[in-house]
Amino acid sequence: QKEVEQNSGPLSVPEGAIASLNCTYSDRGSQSFFWYRQYSGKSPELIMFIYSNGDKEDGRFTAQLNKASQYVSLLIRDSQPSDSATYLCAVNTGGFKTIFGAGTRLFVKA
Amino acid sequence: DTGVSQNPRHKITKRGQNVTFRCDPISEHNRLYWYRQTLGQGPEFLTYFQNEAQLEKSRLLSDRFSAERPKGSFSTLEIQRTEQGDSAMYLCASSLGQSGYTFGSGTRLTVV
Repeated sequence: QKEVEQNSGPLSVPEGAIASLNCTYSDRGSQSFFWYRQYSGKSPELIMFIYSNGDKEDGRFTAQLNKASQYVSLLIRDSQPSDSATYLCAVNTGGFKTIFGAGTRLFVKA
Repeated sequence: DTGVSQNPRHKITKRGQNVTFRCDPISEHNRLYWYRQTLGQGPEFLTYFQNEAQLEKSRLLSDRFSAERPKGSFSTLEIQRTEQGDSAMYLCASSLGQSGYTFGSGTRLTVV
């Protein structure tokens, strides 16, 4: 079992819709959870981080964490074509390193 | 602050040659990380520095890989006797605490 799992996609949504990206992790001791966006040929860019169970909102983005289910999600409201990218889920277990999933490719159709 | 800077942006080398990459982190960040990313995969952890101390090194790294961070400032990653399997994007990131990384633009290595 991979430490951080994501559906590779592609996930295709129409412009203006809600995009829902999901991630599961294997280490119950994980403490910090991150979502990064990576455009093709570019390096990852931090979108959000979440530490506590529940929802955290930042503009059009909402991160959701359920530690009991070992599940993290990212919702993107009012999706725009510029949101088309690969979204990386990343998990820190409290040590020095953060483990990344392979990413979900998102396409937002105009 | 200009963010995390990595040099060179691209490197093409012949198999068996040594290569060295440089990373200049955000000056206020005491934590520095090296990751490697191949096509279709997420970044894969290589090593971590807190100030000048290298506190963790991935088991995936062979003895051909070495990293330094003299005086807790910039860092270098050296790969000796490169192999075709070393072809990847090498990403440097820095952070202050656990609030997420700022990545550099990466160095794309191609071993021919």
